[in-house]
Amino acid sequence: QKEVEQDPGPLSVPEGAIVSLNCTYSNSAFQYFMWYRQYSRKGPELLMYTYSSGNKEDGRFTAQVDKSSKYISLFIRDSQPSDSATYLCAMSAPAGDSSASKIIFGSGTRLSIRP
Amino acid sequence: GAVVSQHPSWVICKSGTSVKIECRSLDFQATTMFWYRQFPKQSLMLMATSNEGSKATYEQGVEKDKFLINHASLTLSTLTVTSAHPEDSSFYICSARPRGLAADTQYFGPGTRLTVL
Repeated sequence: QKEVEQDPGPLSVPEGAIVSLNCTYSNSAFQYFMWYRQYSRKGPELLMYTYSSGNKEDGRFTAQVDKSSKYISLFIRDSQPSDSATYLCAMSAPAGDSSASKIIFGSGTRLSIRP
Repeated sequence: GAVVSQHPSWVICKSGTSVKIECRSLDFQATTMFWYRQFPKQSLMLMATSNEGSKATYEQGVEKDKFLINHASLTLSTLTVTSAHPEDSSFYICSARPRGLAADTQYFGPGTRLTVL
């Protein structure tokens, strides 16, 4: 079983729709949760960073973490064609003193917003 | 701020040759840099973690003699793919963690696409 599971999609929705992207994880030690956006042939760009359960909102983006269910979500409101990209969830656990913490990525969901 | 660059952005080489990829943090000092590999339609897989002035820590299954990492300064890390083969063709992405920030703060470079013929 992978540590982080993410539906690869592709997911296609019309412009203006609300998009819901999700990941599940198995490692209860994960405490930091991130969402990255990656355009084709580009490096990932950090969208949202959350620590602990609950919601965090930034403009049209809302990140949600449910540690009890080991489930995280990213919601995109009023989706735009420019939101078309691959969205990767990522998470990490606190590191010990001797090592940097590692980020474990989901496989990414390809999202397409139709004009 | 927090810009990471990679050079080259793409490279094509013949099988058996070596290729060096540079990763630079342009406006901050990076105590730790990470190298990832990403195959088409797959996620990023961590290859190694490098700290300035010390040897890199490689992930299980990554050959340290094939993927040489040098982190000579707080702004530069290099990945050399030695004796490259077609199966090494991939998208290589580095990231850098700024000094003094949370361990999970990593800024990614734009990636280098390697094609080995």
